[in-house]
Amino acid sequence: DAGVIQSPRHEVTEMGQEVTLRCKPISGHDYLFWYRQTMMRGLELLIYFNNNVPIDDSGMPEDRFSAKMPNASFSTLKIQPSEPRDSAVYFCASRPQTGEGEQFFGPGTRLTVL
Amino acid sequence: GENVEQHPSTLSVQEGDSAVIKCTYSDSASNYFPWYKQELGKRPQLIIDIRSNVGEKKDQRIAVTLNKTAKHFSLHITETQPEDSAVYFCAARGGFQKLVFGTGTRLLVSP
Repeated sequence: DAGVIQSPRHEVTEMGQEVTLRCKPISGHDYLFWYRQTMMRGLELLIYFNNNVPIDDSGMPEDRFSAKMPNASFSTLKIQPSEPRDSAVYFCASRPQTGEGEQFFGPGTRLTVL
Repeated sequence: GENVEQHPSTLSVQEGDSAVIKCTYSDSASNYFPWYKQELGKRPQLIIDIRSNVGEKKDQRIAVTLNKTAKHFSLHITETQPEDSAVYFCAARGGFQKLVFGTGTRLLVSP
């Protein structure tokens, strides 16, 4: 298995632009998580899905952020409009449904908003 | 909700020394406690985990201990090596199936 796949790996955009981050979880994993990592706030959980259904989006900072999971192999995190304070590394992670399986992280997307 | 505190934020040791990182959690329902290592510019990767029915677990130079009564768990690294230098995160997971992470400990092992 290729592991969790994220794209793009790096994104530089200007304030006000729409940004879309993409994630492909490990095949067979039923949970998908989106995290944001910054020096100031550490690893923050933004939202997570179980079987493609959003379960907890309490970490989404504001209405400019939205996430979807249209099927078991694809999820997006969208920021519209983007702001400089959104600059961070965004990680996607997945894990299986059964038991207490390991949660695997993707390589992350480094977002810079100018 | 769950809250995880981690100490220290920075830890410097000499090669060969031991390193200990401590975490506390707030939700007594939490039952799974992983530790992740994150090297600079890379993703967090699981190095060891422990479940609430176990008090201690070892894997070569790494060990984790759990005190459910006190809601403490700790990571112990013995015979540290320069390649152990990284940021280490503890986490806790309870009934809501989401991992809550500590704020991280930057470990620096000097040769």
